[in-house]
Amino acid sequence: DTEVTQTPKHLVMGMTNKKSLKCEQHMGHRAMYWYKQKAKKPPELMFVYSYEKLSINESVPSRFSPECPNSSLLNLHLHALQPEDSALYLCASSQGHGGAGYGYTFGSGTRLTVV
Amino acid sequence: QKEVEQNSGPLSVPEGAIASLNCTYSDRVSQSFFWYRQYSGKSPELIMSIYSNGDKEDGRFTAQLNKASQYVSLLIRDSQPSDSATYLCAVNKGGGSNYKLTFGKGTLLTVNP
Repeated sequence: DTEVTQTPKHLVMGMTNKKSLKCEQHMGHRAMYWYKQKAKKPPELMFVYSYEKLSINESVPSRFSPECPNSSLLNLHLHALQPEDSALYLCASSQGHGGAGYGYTFGSGTRLTVV
Repeated sequence: QKEVEQNSGPLSVPEGAIASLNCTYSDRVSQSFFWYRQYSGKSPELIMSIYSNGDKEDGRFTAQLNKASQYVSLLIRDSQPSDSATYLCAVNKGGGSNYKLTFGKGTLLTVNP
């Protein structure tokens, strides 16, 4: 299995809703990431998990709450989002942390629309 | 100065030509470098990684790294219409468990049949 699986693929939510994005990988990767990508922009790092511990939070608003229940699973809990949070949310994983040239494998993303 | 800068594009080449994509980075301690291809509406796909000075070839793709000049490039030989996509340069740096992959803005490549 060489894939990162993200669910759901599409999500529409109201500003008062609570929803979660899920990401799963079975490649034995110990680093997992959340990125946000707006249209015609590059992906922007949100969170990094290393060995199931949060190692980087790029000053993301608290309405986004990550969780790593185990080494294969990464969640992103969403609460009280704003319309400007509408974007493609990408999960990625990597074998190592990049010093030796390990690339990231990206999931297909969740396209989120906040109404 | 932005961390990762790419030639702005868009870049248009005829089928069979060589496409040349360039990228510079600002932080000398950056350790590894990647090129991702992203088709419209899809997620980024890793096509090349490089972390030593020089050239690295994989099929029709060649990545070049010059750490002294803080410059990374990607050459696509015998370009095909299926190569039409946005190409993202990405740079990884950090230490311990705090590595970060930062992307450039991307260059849109169109290969014309």
